[in-house]
Amino acid sequence: AQSVSQHNHHVILSEAASLELGCNYSYGGTVNLFWYVQYPGQHLQLLLKYFSGDPLVKGIKGFEAEFIKSKFSFNLRKPSVQWSDTAEYFCAVTGGGNKLTFGTGTQLKVEL
Amino acid sequence: GAGVSQSPSNKVTEKGKDVELRCDPISGHTALYWYRQSLGQGLEFLIYFQGNSAPDKSGLPSDRFSAERTGGSVSTLTIQRTQQEDSAVYLCASSPAMRGRGDEQFFGPGTRLTVL
Repeated sequence: AQSVSQHNHHVILSEAASLELGCNYSYGGTVNLFWYVQYPGQHLQLLLKYFSGDPLVKGIKGFEAEFIKSKFSFNLRKPSVQWSDTAEYFCAVTGGGNKLTFGTGTQLKVEL
Repeated sequence: GAGVSQSPSNKVTEKGKDVELRCDPISGHTALYWYRQSLGQGLEFLIYFQGNSAPDKSGLPSDRFSAERTGGSVSTLTIQRTQQEDSAVYLCASSPAMRGRGDEQFFGPGTRLTVL
């Protein structure tokens, strides 16, 4: 069975700080990897996804993630966060099927 | 265009009652998923429909939970004899997914279920 670990449960940053959220997955086969975001009061939306090809994936709002197969990792990064990035971030994987397995989420708070 | 819609947005029920939650996927999407988001368990997969194939029910937590998808479009998740631990936000998602390939899933706003 596949599983996803997100190491940071709560992160507080000041505006303009750099962000890196860790995500590791456990699955022996080919995976598709996703980062979803849930802004306060809104529903889940996709930030970025990796299916194949270039392991450095760029998403919306300046986010990017790097798939490192040898480390089973798919960390999310943003060089300079904004107050509007305050949200909950979920890493997710599909492997051997289409259902998403999610990590426990990371609450990001960006302070002005 | 219209996204995934769910109804009701909030549902409060008494323990032991049955509830039905509805999902309208994005038009043309062949795959439909139900997930549950709760404080203790995070986001969990419940059930997956793909076209006319038999649904993947592997995530349903008990036989009190069932779902159907009529005409390849609207889906209803039914919880019988609700328990307090069923309290959660029930999320529906759809995708244009082809079998065997992961696609982006588009999520609805969810139904917040509270069992008293």
